[in-house]
Amino acid sequence: NAGVMQNPRHLVRRRGQEARLRCSPMKGHSHVYWYRQLPEEGLKFMVYLQKENIIDESGMPKERFSAEFPKEGPSILRIQQVVRGDSAAYFCASSSLSGAASHEQYFGPGTRLTVT
Amino acid sequence: AQTVTQSQPEMSVQEAETVTLSCTYDTSENNYYLFWYKQPPSRQMILVIRQEAYKQQNATENRFSVNFQKAAKSFSLKISDSQLGDTAMYFCAFIPGNYGGSQGNLIFGKGTKLSVKP
Repeated sequence: NAGVMQNPRHLVRRRGQEARLRCSPMKGHSHVYWYRQLPEEGLKFMVYLQKENIIDESGMPKERFSAEFPKEGPSILRIQQVVRGDSAAYFCASSSLSGAASHEQYFGPGTRLTVT
Repeated sequence: AQTVTQSQPEMSVQEAETVTLSCTYDTSENNYYLFWYKQPPSRQMILVIRQEAYKQQNATENRFSVNFQKAAKSFSLKISDSQLGDTAMYFCAFIPGNYGGSQGNLIFGKGTKLSVKP
């Protein structure tokens, strides 16, 4: 059973470009969470999605950031017009939200975004 | 506001010794879940152990165990017989929820960097 997959693992963008980060949840999981980890910090929640729905985006900046989880395909975190402060590791997690383990989130390997 | 505090930015331990990492949290929820995640240099987040707040018994996973003190809102991690592969960042995390499920996001502490020395 494949785990959570994220790609690319490393992404370099120049200031002003767009960054697209992809996340494929574990098989059977329909809930996806995105977190951001700045250097020397813990992970901070950004957005929680179910298929075709954004459930909670309270941690996501209002401008330049957007997320989707279409009916088919991976979840996408999109950052437009990137700035140096967007440089961070972005983690995706998924859960099944069923049964006793529904509160457990399983993490992907992360995408390290570097803005030059 | 719900917060998680890890007061030890860095710790070290000799191989085969025991080490305890501290974590406190603040919440008004009565039901919730607590976790310890390990992040080795590969940066992969690995679930080490979990505790359900409604359970009195402390969780144990092989060499890893927790000391859960609900009244004190404390959730420490004990690593016995430390191994070189235990060297990593350790994050304490909290998620509110009712029995059988939750729909919330994880709230993380800032982490403790553990070094196991040979």
